[in-house]
Amino acid sequence: GAGVSQSPSNKVTEKGKDVELRCDPISGHTALYWYRQSLGQGLEFLIYFQGNSAPDKSGLPSDRFSAERTGGSVSTLTIQRTQQEDSAVYLCASTRLPRSGDTQYFGPGTRLTVL
Amino acid sequence: DQQVKQNSPSLSVQEGRISILNCDYTNSMFDYFLWYKKYPAEGPTFLISISSIKDKNEDGRFTVFLNKSAKHLSLHIVPSQPGDSAVYFCAARSGGDDKIIFGKGTRLHILP
Repeated sequence: GAGVSQSPSNKVTEKGKDVELRCDPISGHTALYWYRQSLGQGLEFLIYFQGNSAPDKSGLPSDRFSAERTGGSVSTLTIQRTQQEDSAVYLCASTRLPRSGDTQYFGPGTRLTVL
Repeated sequence: DQQVKQNSPSLSVQEGRISILNCDYTNSMFDYFLWYKKYPAEGPTFLISISSIKDKNEDGRFTVFLNKSAKHLSLHIVPSQPGDSAVYFCAARSGGDDKIIFGKGTRLHILP
């Protein structure tokens, strides 16, 4: 595809359930970022993958959050035992190279609602 | 502690006039600044950027000004058009880090 895709576009889940959010970056992009935007808040950095390097997990809010990037391409963000405060739009972005901030392409996001 | 601050949650501007969106930052290590635009139900899209070695960057109707001593930057849109109605995020990156820190955004309404 031409852009970053994310699935599902919307996810409603019950408190305590696990969810998986998927991101397909632009082909050939080596860097992948996850952000979330809670209501009334800015984009909160969660995690960053660059090539084969160890990911920067410094933004993950708790150990219930984890992410993988398989084969340097698709990434999955997993939230275990979801809580209501996890409700947010989760955005994925990719760049061809790191530090090329002006070419960070975002996906449309996954809106997560935890009931 | 917010490192990138957009103190105006919303702004309304008459079509044809100048829109000025402001952003303040606290981290003196930031050396690259970006503005993103976001429509509802879409991801943010890159608009314009500026390096800390410059104080102005212009691209068509969009100009970003950087005042390093005041740790302040602004985005000017002139003339404002209806399609400019969106949320604008200010973002910054430090030289030693690949993370980009975003502000909370300012919702711009262009009035007919």
